[in-house]
Amino acid sequence: QQPVQSPQAVILREGEDAVINCSSSKALYSVHWYRQKHGEAPVFLMILLKGGEQKGHEKISASFNEKKQQSSLYLTASQLSYSGTYFCGTVIGAGGTSYGKLTFGQGTILTVHP
Amino acid sequence: EADIYQTPRYLVIGTGKKITLECSQTMGHDKMYWYQQDPGMELHLIHYSYGVNSTEKGDLSSESTVSRIRTEHFPLTLESARPSHTSQYLCASSEWTGSGYSDEQFFGPGTRLTVL
Repeated sequence: QQPVQSPQAVILREGEDAVINCSSSKALYSVHWYRQKHGEAPVFLMILLKGGEQKGHEKISASFNEKKQQSSLYLTASQLSYSGTYFCGTVIGAGGTSYGKLTFGQGTILTVHP
Repeated sequence: EADIYQTPRYLVIGTGKKITLECSQTMGHDKMYWYQQDPGMELHLIHYSYGVNSTEKGDLSSESTVSRIRTEHFPLTLESARPSHTSQYLCASSEWTGSGYSDEQFFGPGTRLTVL
């Protein structure tokens, strides 16, 4: 089942902060975050795993609430280069196993103005 | 340089033609994926593979087929293209970590397909 992202779009000025949310109705094994710029391929930002482990880029922070099946991506002191569409992807799993497939949300369009 | 490649980048073709979209990666990854993405929309998984001779259908029903004869190569074939197949097709790969969860996926540049 597809995760739901909110908001659908965000407009910021450089230096402002933003939070993008991702929620699922299923028990999650992991949450992935990707950014896609117009006309380009998605680029990995972060993975958050059940149990608290995280892997990702240093300047990106995110949280994963396993009980609520929710994740949030925090973009602080935004730069023009942050503009793009942000996708969360979820891997469904329970009891320590993963079914492997990544299902992406509908995306959040982030626009950063000077 | 380790990378993931897709050819062609753009393809315009008539209805009924057979097409093969190529995807190759030089990272030695066991897991490979095909996604379909319409402009401004989410990515839909259409096929994936966990290794040689392993292929599975994804969440989105697709009339395409895939094969995985070599680790580095994961081509996608449409036997008879239709206008409804017009979309962008993205190939991705990831490393099999052995612990069961999907790791970081590396995406190719995509093939933008237009069927007239």
